[in-house]
Amino acid sequence: AQSVAQPEDQVNVAEGNPLTVKCTYSVSGNPYLFWYVQYPNRGLQFLLKYITGDNLVKGSYGFEAEFNKSQTSFHLKKPSALVSDSALYFCAVRDLNDNFNKFYFGSGTKLNVKP
Amino acid sequence: DSGVTQTPKHLITATGQRVTLRCSPRSGDLSVYWYQQSLDQGLQFLIHYYNGEERAKGNILERFSAQQFPDLHSELNLSSLELGDSALYFCASSAGTSGDEQFFGPGTRLTVL
Repeated sequence: AQSVAQPEDQVNVAEGNPLTVKCTYSVSGNPYLFWYVQYPNRGLQFLLKYITGDNLVKGSYGFEAEFNKSQTSFHLKKPSALVSDSALYFCAVRDLNDNFNKFYFGSGTKLNVKP
Repeated sequence: DSGVTQTPKHLITATGQRVTLRCSPRSGDLSVYWYQQSLDQGLQFLIHYYNGEERAKGNILERFSAQQFPDLHSELNLSSLELGDSALYFCASSAGTSGDEQFFGPGTRLTVL
């Protein structure tokens, strides 16, 4: 079955340090992969996506993610965290071989950036 | 501002009642998606419409239904409401159906008492 996993409920990092939010996926075919961020009482905002091409994808607010096919991972990274990055982050996947109109979201990872 | 609008913002109702949530997609977007977000279930995909046609169903209960109208706005109907239906309901839109990112509305917070 298609799915996406975010193994960490919460990630804590100090401001200025690099951050990584992990995501692994399981699909039968080729994936479309997405990262979204949700601030309190707001809808989700698109950060970046991987469709094809370069495995390193750059997105909004200085975030980037690396697609690793062998490890079926799509971890979100940022070289230097800001307090304002504190939010809930969701990884999502679409399977091109499945009914690709379905979107599968991870359970979310809460990022806490401390001053 | 994503360009997706949802009304109402908040809704408080009683068990057994029926409510309708409304979503207007971004200008030009043909796809509308509905999601339910609750504390214990996370973000659950409910249903997807593309240009008026249902394209995919997720974890949508039989008590719930949706439609997309010719002007592309969409409505999610929730009936015979139960306490467990209390959640945030998000609508999202995208240009097409495949690799396009979704733009989310601000959500409707439904409270069933």
